[in-house]
Amino acid sequence: GQQLNQSPQSMFIQEGEDVSMNCTSSSIFNTWLWYKQDPGEGPVLLIALYKAGELTSNGRLTAQFGITRKDSFLNISASIPSDVGIYFCAGLDSGNTPLVFGKGTRLSVIA
Amino acid sequence: DTGVSQNPRHKITKRGQNVTFRCDPISEHNRLYWYRQTLGQGPEFLTYFQNEAQLEKSRLLSDRFSAERPKGSFSTLEIQRTEQGDSAMYLCASSLVRGEQETQYFGPGTRLLVL
Repeated sequence: GQQLNQSPQSMFIQEGEDVSMNCTSSSIFNTWLWYKQDPGEGPVLLIALYKAGELTSNGRLTAQFGITRKDSFLNISASIPSDVGIYFCAGLDSGNTPLVFGKGTRLSVIA
Repeated sequence: DTGVSQNPRHKITKRGQNVTFRCDPISEHNRLYWYRQTLGQGPEFLTYFQNEAQLEKSRLLSDRFSAERPKGSFSTLEIQRTEQGDSAMYLCASSLVRGEQETQYFGPGTRLLVL
């Protein structure tokens, strides 16, 4: 079945630093979604990507849909303490199949 | 609040009991999904509905699990004869499919603990 490899598994960074995380897939996706999840809560959508090569920003967050359609990355610039959480990538290969999630990147920000 | 809502937020039950969770999707969304998430993992797909029709079920969805969306609006997920391995966060998501674009929005989840 489809698998998403998300890396790194965890990151400890200083406040103000930039962060980069990525996902790679064994198959082609038509949609990449990035979510953030806080403890005890559901995932919150950060950025949605629909086209290969697409680069989309949401405030300090920037995500790109890889041109091979098998990868995506998320960058966070100038990290702040509230960026702490688990970031998940998720891919969709057509409108009729379920989202496949990575295992998440746990981000810790040291003030 | 016009987001996805789930009730209850937490449920503690004894092994062997039945439990039922409810999900209210975003009102204009035609698709509704159920996922299960265990510690340290991403959400895993269980089943989904297009309007009131249940279109796909994962192999994770054993015979003890049943989901309904009778009027194409809210959905319920029932687990019969709960087992300790059913302890997890159960997430609901809804989406509005436009052509090939689909974005799923999640509810806050129901955390189940089976003792």
